[in-house]
Amino acid sequence: QVQLVESGGGVVQPGRSLRLSCAASGFTFSRYGMHWVRQAPGKGLEWVAVIWHDGGQKVYADSVKGRFAISRDNSENTLYLQMNSLSAEDTAVYYCARDDDGDRNVFDYWGQGTLVAVSS
Amino acid sequence: EIVMTQSPATLSVSPGEGATLSCRASQSVNSKLAWYQQKPGQAPRLLIYDAYTRATGIPARFSGSGSGTEFTLTISSLQSEDFAVYYCQQYNIWPPLTFGGGTKVEIK
Repeated sequence: QVQLVESGGGVVQPGRSLRLSCAASGFTFSRYGMHWVRQAPGKGLEWVAVIWHDGGQKVYADSVKGRFAISRDNSENTLYLQMNSLSAEDTAVYYCARDDDGDRNVFDYWGQGTLVAVSS
Repeated sequence: EIVMTQSPATLSVSPGEGATLSCRASQSVNSKLAWYQQKPGQAPRLLIYDAYTRATGIPARFSGSGSGTEFTLTISSLQSEDFAVYYCQQYNIWPPLTFGGGTKVEIK
């Protein structure tokens, strides 16, 4: 069965960096685009970034552009999110999600999420 | 950016009753609209895509309709496991992909 397992979250000071990982299993990872979606405490969902199945294209939300970098290692079935210059506004649960039809931009499977708390 | 507006914010429904949730887009998204269900402490789950197509394993009591700027998610007879927050998401014009603010369906 499809499984997505995020890791790497934690408490980090403003201005610092953090890298999230998402380990995928149960499907052919290299055939699917992958997304990061976040949810601030008690708030709604916010799309963060997408990477094409082959890593050839990456697109970001304006709120993270220039600070976050999405990447993937298809040989290791793992998705990453490098987060730099973190601020309190980045505090959220970060979910990785699979694109349901390669590049439809619908999220058919989600990980359980990893909490990032930016605080001094 | 396409703004998605959901109403009502909270819907109080008795088990066995039906529920109708609305989602409005600030401009046409054609039929590129998805619905998700999220329970406390859990990740969202895909219910509907392309405005009315149920995702794999989703019960028939969930149905979606609409196109353009007005969309509806209908739950025909609420079961205990259906009390949750529901989000709509457009994927017609992006970036960014955008979600509505959510509708909480609570037990009356």
